[in-house]
Amino acid sequence: AQTVTQSQPEMSVQEAETVTLSCTYDTSESDYYLFWYKQPPSRQMILVIRQEAYKQQNATENRFSVNFQKAAKSFSLKISDSQLGDAAMYFCAYRINSGNTPLVFGKGTRLSVIA
Amino acid sequence: EAQVTQNPRYLITVTGKKLTVTCSQNMNHEYMSWYRQDPGLGLRQIYYSMNVEVTDKGDVPEGYKVSRKEKRNFPLILESPSPNQTSLYFCASSRPGQGKYEQYFGPGTRLTVT
Repeated sequence: AQTVTQSQPEMSVQEAETVTLSCTYDTSESDYYLFWYKQPPSRQMILVIRQEAYKQQNATENRFSVNFQKAAKSFSLKISDSQLGDAAMYFCAYRINSGNTPLVFGKGTRLSVIA
Repeated sequence: EAQVTQNPRYLITVTGKKLTVTCSQNMNHEYMSWYRQDPGLGLRQIYYSMNVEVTDKGDVPEGYKVSRKEKRNFPLILESPSPNQTSLYFCASSRPGQGKYEQYFGPGTRLTVT
């Protein structure tokens, strides 16, 4: 079974600093997608960034970037120039690119941003 | 505006009283799904549907039912709710194509069963 592990239940970062959230996953598949979702206090699930496993280049979206290490099955999220609005729960997720497969989530990392 | 809506947003009920949480999407998505979110457990899939009249179990289907009579709607039914079903529930939809397309999530339904 596929699993996603987020080893940091809570993290904190000073405003304007950089923080990295860790995620590892376990799979025997080679074709899949990885995602980071943000859940602010409003509880809405917001897609932050997506990585296709067959692409070697790390995805970036403005201040958000990933470090995708396929061999190590690692998918960390880097947030640069952290802002107060980045405070949220962050979920790493994985989905096989085949059939009726679910989105498998990690347990989440709660990020606090200190002014 | 493209969106997934859920109703109600908050619900407090008693053990055994049947309830339905509605989910509707306006993006003509074939794939729809229900998740529950519990502290320390992340989100877990309850049921999903690939299209009208096609539904299947996810990881935690016990105690839930779903139906997909129309493409836009995917209600979640709790025939006899129990306290262990107290949770935050999310409906999501996406285009088909396995993992390629983003899942759009509804705003969530906070359910408390006493």
